[in-house]
Amino acid sequence: GIQVEQSPPDLILQEGANSTLRCNFSDSVNNLQWFHQNPWGQLINLFYIPSGTKQNGRLSATTVATERYSLLYISSSQTTDSGVYFCAVEQINTGTASKLTFGTGTRLQVTL
Amino acid sequence: DAGVTQSPTHLIKTRGQQVTLRCSPKSGHDTVSWYQQALGQGPQFIFQYYEEEERQRGNFPDRFSGHQFPNYSSELNVNALLLGDSALYLCASSLYFFVGPEAFFGQGTRLTVV
Repeated sequence: GIQVEQSPPDLILQEGANSTLRCNFSDSVNNLQWFHQNPWGQLINLFYIPSGTKQNGRLSATTVATERYSLLYISSSQTTDSGVYFCAVEQINTGTASKLTFGTGTRLQVTL
Repeated sequence: DAGVTQSPTHLIKTRGQQVTLRCSPKSGHDTVSWYQQALGQGPQFIFQYYEEEERQRGNFPDRFSGHQFPNYSSELNVNALLLGDSALYLCASSLYFFVGPEAFFGQGTRLTVV
Protein backbone atom coordinates (compact mmCIF):
# COMPACT_ATOMS: atom_id res chain seq x y z
CA GLY A 1 0.00 0.00 0.00
CA ILE A 2 0.89 3.65 -0.15
CA GLN A 3 3.48 4.94 2.31
CA VAL A 4 3.15 8.38 3.89
CA GLU A 5 6.10 9.75 5.81
CA GLN A 6 6.34 12.98 7.75
CA SER A 7 9.31 14.91 9.03
CA PRO A 8 10.48 15.92 11.48
CA PRO A 9 8.83 13.51 13.96
CA ASP A 10 9.22 15.98 16.82
CA LEU A 11 9.68 19.73 16.89
CA ILE A 12 10.10 22.17 19.76
CA LEU A 13 9.74 25.88 18.99
CA GLN A 14 9.76 29.08 20.95
CA GLU A 15 6.69 31.20 20.57
CA GLY A 16 7.01 33.44 17.54
CA ALA A 17 9.25 31.11 15.54
CA ASN A 18 8.42 29.74 12.09
CA SER A 19 8.47 26.10 11.01
CA THR A 20 8.02 23.84 8.00
CA LEU A 21 6.56 20.35 8.21
CA ARG A 22 7.01 17.92 5.33
CA CYS A 23 4.92 15.04 4.03
CA ASN A 24 6.19 12.58 1.40
CA PHE A 25 3.97 9.96 -0.21
CA SER A 26 4.93 7.00 -2.35
CA ASP A 27 2.18 6.85 -4.97
CA SER A 28 -0.26 9.05 -6.84
CA VAL A 29 -3.23 10.22 -4.78
CA ASN A 30 -6.58 11.83 -5.41
CA ASN A 31 -6.34 14.27 -2.54
CA LEU A 32 -4.21 15.36 0.40
CA GLN A 33 -5.24 16.90 3.69
CA TRP A 34 -3.46 18.33 6.72
CA PHE A 35 -4.92 17.79 10.18
CA HIS A 36 -4.13 19.10 13.65
CA GLN A 37 -4.88 16.73 16.52
CA ASN A 38 -5.39 18.49 19.83
CA PRO A 39 -4.50 16.94 23.20
CA TRP A 40 -8.06 15.61 23.53
CA GLY A 41 -7.77 13.61 20.31
CA GLN A 42 -9.95 15.78 18.09
CA LEU A 43 -8.74 15.92 14.48
CA ILE A 44 -9.24 19.32 12.92
CA ASN A 45 -9.01 19.68 9.17
CA LEU A 46 -6.53 22.46 8.35
CA PHE A 47 -6.20 22.20 4.59
CA TYR A 48 -7.65 20.21 1.75
CA ILE A 49 -4.89 20.62 -0.81
CA PRO A 50 -4.49 18.07 -3.63
CA SER A 51 -2.21 20.52 -5.43
CA GLY A 52 -1.06 24.12 -5.34
CA THR A 53 -0.82 26.51 -2.41
CA LYS A 54 -3.37 27.67 0.15
CA GLN A 55 -3.13 30.06 3.07
CA ASN A 56 -5.25 30.45 6.17
CA GLY A 57 -3.98 33.07 8.58
CA ARG A 58 -0.59 32.06 9.96
CA LEU A 59 -0.77 28.68 8.25
CA SER A 60 -0.13 27.86 4.63
CA ALA A 61 0.34 24.64 2.69
CA THR A 62 1.81 23.63 -0.63
CA THR A 63 1.40 20.33 -2.45
CA VAL A 64 3.50 19.31 -5.44
CA ALA A 65 1.62 16.23 -6.55
CA THR A 66 3.98 15.40 -9.42
CA GLU A 67 6.86 15.15 -6.94
CA ARG A 68 4.72 13.49 -4.25
CA TYR A 69 5.23 15.84 -1.36
CA SER A 70 3.43 18.51 0.63
CA LEU A 71 4.63 21.19 3.03
CA LEU A 72 2.85 22.87 5.92
CA TYR A 73 4.19 26.24 7.03
CA ILE A 74 3.48 27.67 10.46
CA SER A 75 4.51 31.27 10.98
CA SER A 76 4.71 33.20 14.24
CA SER A 77 3.90 30.06 16.22
CA GLN A 78 1.72 30.25 19.33
CA THR A 79 1.36 27.86 22.25
CA THR A 80 -2.08 26.94 20.93
CA ASP A 81 -0.37 25.47 17.84
CA SER A 82 1.00 22.64 20.00
CA GLY A 83 -0.22 19.16 19.18
CA VAL A 84 0.30 16.56 16.49
CA TYR A 85 0.09 17.42 12.81
CA PHE A 86 -0.89 14.70 10.36
CA CYS A 87 -1.01 14.67 6.62
CA ALA A 88 -3.40 12.19 5.07
CA VAL A 89 -3.78 11.14 1.46
CA GLU A 90 -7.01 9.97 -0.10
CA GLN A 91 -7.25 7.24 -2.68
CA ILE A 92 -10.55 6.60 -4.40
CA ASN A 93 -11.08 2.90 -5.05
CA THR A 94 -13.03 1.87 -8.15
CA GLY A 95 -15.10 5.03 -7.91
CA THR A 96 -17.28 3.74 -5.08
CA ALA A 97 -15.11 3.94 -1.99
CA SER A 98 -12.23 5.89 -0.60
CA LYS A 99 -10.01 5.98 2.41
CA LEU A 100 -7.48 8.22 4.09
CA THR A 101 -3.97 6.96 4.74
CA PHE A 102 -2.35 8.99 7.48
CA GLY A 103 1.30 9.83 7.89
CA THR A 104 3.39 9.19 10.94
CA GLY A 105 2.75 12.66 12.36
CA THR A 106 4.85 15.57 13.60
CA ARG A 107 4.54 16.34 17.29
CA LEU A 108 4.93 20.10 17.80
CA GLN A 109 5.51 21.78 21.13
CA VAL A 110 5.54 25.57 21.28
CA THR A 111 7.06 27.03 24.43
CA LEU A 112 6.94 30.53 25.90
CA ASP B 1 -25.77 22.00 13.69
CA ALA B 2 -24.16 19.10 15.54
CA GLY B 3 -20.97 17.72 14.10
CA VAL B 4 -19.93 14.08 14.28
CA THR B 5 -20.95 12.53 17.59
CA GLN B 6 -19.35 9.41 19.04
CA SER B 7 -20.33 7.45 22.11
CA PRO B 8 -19.15 6.52 24.59
CA THR B 9 -16.12 8.80 25.03
CA HIS B 10 -14.24 6.34 27.22
CA LEU B 11 -14.62 2.62 27.76
CA ILE B 12 -12.79 -0.05 29.73
CA LYS B 13 -13.26 -3.70 28.76
CA THR B 14 -11.71 -7.03 29.71
CA ARG B 15 -9.87 -9.29 27.27
CA GLY B 16 -12.26 -11.58 25.44
CA GLN B 17 -15.25 -9.28 25.80
CA GLN B 18 -17.16 -7.63 23.00
CA VAL B 19 -17.66 -3.90 22.50
CA THR B 20 -19.91 -1.67 20.39
CA LEU B 21 -19.00 1.89 19.52
CA ARG B 22 -21.45 4.33 17.97
CA CYS B 23 -21.19 7.23 15.56
CA SER B 24 -23.74 9.78 14.39
CA PRO B 25 -22.58 11.62 11.27
CA LYS B 26 -22.83 15.33 10.66
CA SER B 27 -26.24 16.39 9.42
CA GLY B 28 -26.46 15.92 5.66
CA HIS B 29 -23.64 13.38 5.49
CA ASP B 30 -24.29 9.81 4.36
CA THR B 31 -20.88 8.12 4.60
CA VAL B 32 -19.13 6.93 7.73
CA SER B 33 -15.52 5.76 7.98
CA TRP B 34 -13.87 4.26 11.05
CA TYR B 35 -10.22 4.58 12.08
CA GLN B 36 -8.14 3.08 14.86
CA GLN B 37 -5.38 5.20 16.39
CA ALA B 38 -2.92 3.42 18.66
CA LEU B 39 -0.91 5.52 21.09
CA GLY B 40 1.78 7.53 19.32
CA GLN B 41 0.70 6.52 15.83
CA GLY B 42 -1.43 7.90 13.03
CA PRO B 43 -5.01 6.72 12.52
CA GLN B 44 -5.41 3.47 10.56
CA PHE B 45 -8.41 2.90 8.27
CA ILE B 46 -10.75 0.14 9.42
CA PHE B 47 -13.68 0.36 7.01
CA GLN B 48 -16.10 2.68 5.25
CA TYR B 49 -19.91 2.45 5.07
CA TYR B 50 -22.01 4.06 2.37
CA GLU B 51 -25.62 3.22 1.51
CA GLU B 52 -25.63 0.74 4.42
CA GLU B 53 -22.91 -1.34 2.81
CA GLU B 54 -19.27 -1.87 3.71
CA ARG B 55 -17.54 -0.31 0.72
CA GLN B 56 -13.90 -0.79 1.60
CA ARG B 57 -11.98 -2.45 4.38
CA GLY B 58 -8.52 -1.95 5.75
CA ASN B 59 -6.18 -4.60 7.08
CA PHE B 60 -8.20 -5.58 10.15
CA PRO B 61 -9.39 -9.07 11.18
CA ASP B 62 -12.97 -10.24 11.01
CA ARG B 63 -13.31 -9.55 14.73
CA PHE B 64 -13.95 -5.98 13.60
CA SER B 65 -17.38 -5.57 12.05
CA GLY B 66 -19.74 -2.72 11.46
CA HIS B 67 -23.15 -1.63 10.46
CA GLN B 68 -24.80 1.45 9.02
CA PHE B 69 -28.42 2.25 9.71
CA PRO B 70 -30.95 3.94 7.39
CA ASN B 71 -30.43 7.23 9.26
CA TYR B 72 -26.70 6.96 8.32
CA SER B 73 -25.50 6.40 11.87
CA SER B 74 -23.03 3.59 12.32
CA GLU B 75 -21.74 1.06 14.82
CA LEU B 76 -18.33 -0.54 15.13
CA ASN B 77 -18.25 -3.93 16.86
CA VAL B 78 -15.14 -5.65 18.09
CA ASN B 79 -15.35 -9.25 19.31
CA ALA B 80 -12.91 -11.24 21.44
CA LEU B 81 -11.04 -8.13 22.57
CA LEU B 82 -7.26 -8.26 22.77
CA LEU B 83 -4.95 -5.98 24.73
CA GLY B 84 -3.72 -4.65 21.39
CA ASP B 85 -7.19 -3.34 20.58
CA SER B 86 -6.65 -0.57 23.13
CA ALA B 87 -6.74 2.62 21.08
CA LEU B 88 -8.63 5.76 20.18
CA TYR B 89 -11.37 4.90 17.69
CA LEU B 90 -12.29 7.75 15.38
CA CYS B 91 -15.31 8.12 13.18
CA ALA B 92 -15.35 10.40 10.13
CA SER B 93 -18.41 11.42 8.18
CA SER B 94 -18.57 12.75 4.64
CA LEU B 95 -20.85 13.10 1.65
CA TYR B 96 -21.14 10.16 -0.74
CA PHE B 97 -18.17 7.84 -0.46
CA PHE B 98 -15.73 10.66 -1.07
CA VAL B 99 -13.83 11.76 1.99
CA GLY B 100 -12.84 15.09 0.48
CA PRO B 101 -12.89 18.55 1.98
CA GLU B 102 -16.18 18.03 3.73
CA ALA B 103 -14.97 15.24 5.99
CA PHE B 104 -15.38 15.77 9.71
CA PHE B 105 -14.04 13.65 12.54
CA GLY B 106 -15.67 12.94 15.87
CA GLN B 107 -13.88 13.35 19.17
CA GLY B 108 -13.26 9.62 19.34
CA THR B 109 -13.88 6.77 21.76
CA ARG B 110 -10.91 5.82 23.89
CA LEU B 111 -11.02 2.05 24.46
CA THR B 112 -8.86 0.41 27.09
CA VAL B 113 -8.66 -3.38 27.20
CA VAL B 114 -7.36 -4.85 30.47
